[in-house]
Amino acid sequence: EAGVAQSPRYKIIEKRQSVAFWCNPISGHATLYWYQQILGQGPKLLIQFQNNGVVDDSQLPKDRFSAERLKGVDSTLKIQPAKLEDSAVYLCASSLNWDRRIYGYTFGSGTRLTVV
Amino acid sequence: AQTVTQSQPEMSVQEAETVTLSCTYDTSESDYYLFWYKQPPSRQMILVIRQEAYKQQNATENRFSVNFQKAAKSFSLKISDSQLGDAAMYFCASTYNNNDMRFGAGTRLTVKP
Repeated sequence: EAGVAQSPRYKIIEKRQSVAFWCNPISGHATLYWYQQILGQGPKLLIQFQNNGVVDDSQLPKDRFSAERLKGVDSTLKIQPAKLEDSAVYLCASSLNWDRRIYGYTFGSGTRLTVV
Repeated sequence: AQTVTQSQPEMSVQEAETVTLSCTYDTSESDYYLFWYKQPPSRQMILVIRQEAYKQQNATENRFSVNFQKAAKSFSLKISDSQLGDAAMYFCASTYNNNDMRFGAGTRLTVKP
């Protein structure tokens, strides 16, 4: 089965610019997650979708970050305007609704964002 | 709230030898799951092993095994017969019910030939 696809793999932008990341989860996976992984730290959840509805966005900096999952499949995460501290790897993960505790999540390879 | 702590930022092991990575967690829940993930330079998080809190028996997956001490809230990963391909960042994580998976800060494992 195909894995979780993410693009782009790398992105370098100047502060105050905007950027968007794309994620295509495994087919049939109802739950999709965006994680932010700052260098030297573990991933931190930004937002969780169940189909096309938001389940948890409590840690999403909503003044600059936004995410959507139209039609309950692909998702995009946007940052506008970017700050230096947004430099991180942005990981997308997906899971079948019922098995996340048994098998964990399936992660993509992430997008490395550098804000200069 | 759940917290996961990995106190070893870096570990090193000789090829073919055994290494243990430490993890402690804090939760008030009785039903939770614990995981070890491996993150190689490709950045993709790969599930190594999982443990259900209600199970007494320690999980084992080939060369990987855990030492789950529920009372002490400890969940260490043992890698036997270490191979060069085991070199990566290792993250301990926990989740309960349908809530978010919490990760530790990670341990960078180096395997020396």
